[in-house]
Amino acid sequence: KQEVTQIPAALSVPEGENLVLNCSFTDSAIYNLQWFRQDPGKGLTSLLLIQSSQREQTSGRLNASLDKSSGRSTLYIAASQPGDSATYLCAARGNFGNEKLTFGTGTRLTIIP
Amino acid sequence: ETGVTQSPTHLIKTRGQQVTLRCSSQSGHNTVSWYQQALGQGPQFIFQYYREEENGRGNFPPRFSGLQFPNYSSELNVNALELDDSALYLCASSWDRDTEQYFGPGTRLTVT
Repeated sequence: KQEVTQIPAALSVPEGENLVLNCSFTDSAIYNLQWFRQDPGKGLTSLLLIQSSQREQTSGRLNASLDKSSGRSTLYIAASQPGDSATYLCAARGNFGNEKLTFGTGTRLTIIP
Repeated sequence: ETGVTQSPTHLIKTRGQQVTLRCSSQSGHNTVSWYQQALGQGPQFIFQYYREEENGRGNFPPRFSGLQFPNYSSELNVNALELDDSALYLCASSWDRDTEQYFGPGTRLTVT
């Protein structure tokens, strides 16, 4: 059974700093891994999706990496802004035949102006 | 905007009642997945429908059921509501069972 963990549960950093969010998963047989952003009481916005054959994906100030052998993924945010404040969730997708997403509990990020 | 809509936005029900939540997928998306997100937790997979048939189910009792229609809409039905069913319910549509999922804004259900 896949388990996804995100530590820390909450993180506060001053505006302008670079930061890294962590995600670990127990079963390396994943199809892909996805990072989402969730604002309070809202749905999920997909940020980056990394296929199992890829090592990283980049979009603007965001960079996500994937290391299947160690069961880890990181989301790097460069030059943080107050608008980046949200909860960030990672989710691992199982291989064919088990296509559900297994989510972590998220990291609540606060950027201090 | 993902093009996925859900209704209603919020609703309040009493324990023991039944509820139907609705989702409208992106046109052409043959797959819809439903998730339950309790406060402070990550979403938990309820089930997935592919071309109107159930294609996988999470650890939820049978009183959680679903339907998917040919017009890219779907429903989540919950019978005999319990207090613990209070959560944000999210639907996600995708082109196929293993392609990227696009989430709707969710329905906040409160059971009193």
